Amino acid sequence: AQSVTQPDIHITVSEGASLELRCNYSYGATPYLFWYVQSPGQGLQLLLKYFSGDTLVQGIKGFEAEFKRSQSSFNLRKPSVHWSDAAEYFCAVEGAGSYQLTFGKGTKLSVIP
Amino acid sequence: DSGVTQTPKHLITATGQRVTLRCSPRSGDLSVYWYQQSLDQGLQFLIQYYNGEERAKGNILERFSAQQFPDLHSELNLSSLELGDSALYFCASSPSPSNEQFFGPGTRLTVL
Repeated sequence: AQSVTQPDIHITVSEGASLELRCNYSYGATPYLFWYVQSPGQGLQLLLKYFSGDTLVQGIKGFEAEFKRSQSSFNLRKPSVHWSDAAEYFCAVEGAGSYQLTFGKGTKLSVIP
Repeated sequence: DSGVTQTPKHLITATGQRVTLRCSPRSGDLSVYWYQQSLDQGLQFLIQYYNGEERAKGNILERFSAQQFPDLHSELNLSSLELGDSALYFCASSPSPSNEQFFGPGTRLTVL
């Protein structure tokens, strides 16, 4: 069965600082990988996805993520955080043919002005 | 706005009752997914439909059922409600299975 671990429950960064949110997955083959963001009281918005090809993927809002097969990781990064990035971030995997997303527990990001 | 609509936005009901949550997918999307988000379980996949047929089932309780209608909208029926069913229920849609999923704003269910 596939699983996702986001080891950081809560991260606080200063506005303008860089950000890295960690995600590790467990799956027998290369899964499809996603990062979603959820603002308070809102639904989930897709930030970026990895299906195959280039292991560094660019997303919306200046986010990027790097797939590292050897480490089973798909960490999310942003070079300079804005106050509006404060939200909860979810990493998700979909095993090929499983048709379902398995989510991590989420990382809550707080941004200090 | 993802283009996925869910009604109602909020629902408050009592234990033992039955409720129906409704989802309209994005125009052209054939796949509909249901997820439950609760504090203790996090985001969990419940069930998926593709063009009216059930395609995948996750941790969905027997008290819960869903269907997708010919116009592609979907309903999630929750019966014999318990306090622990209080959660945010999300619907998502995609053009086909294993495509990126677009999430609706969710229905917040409170069982008293």
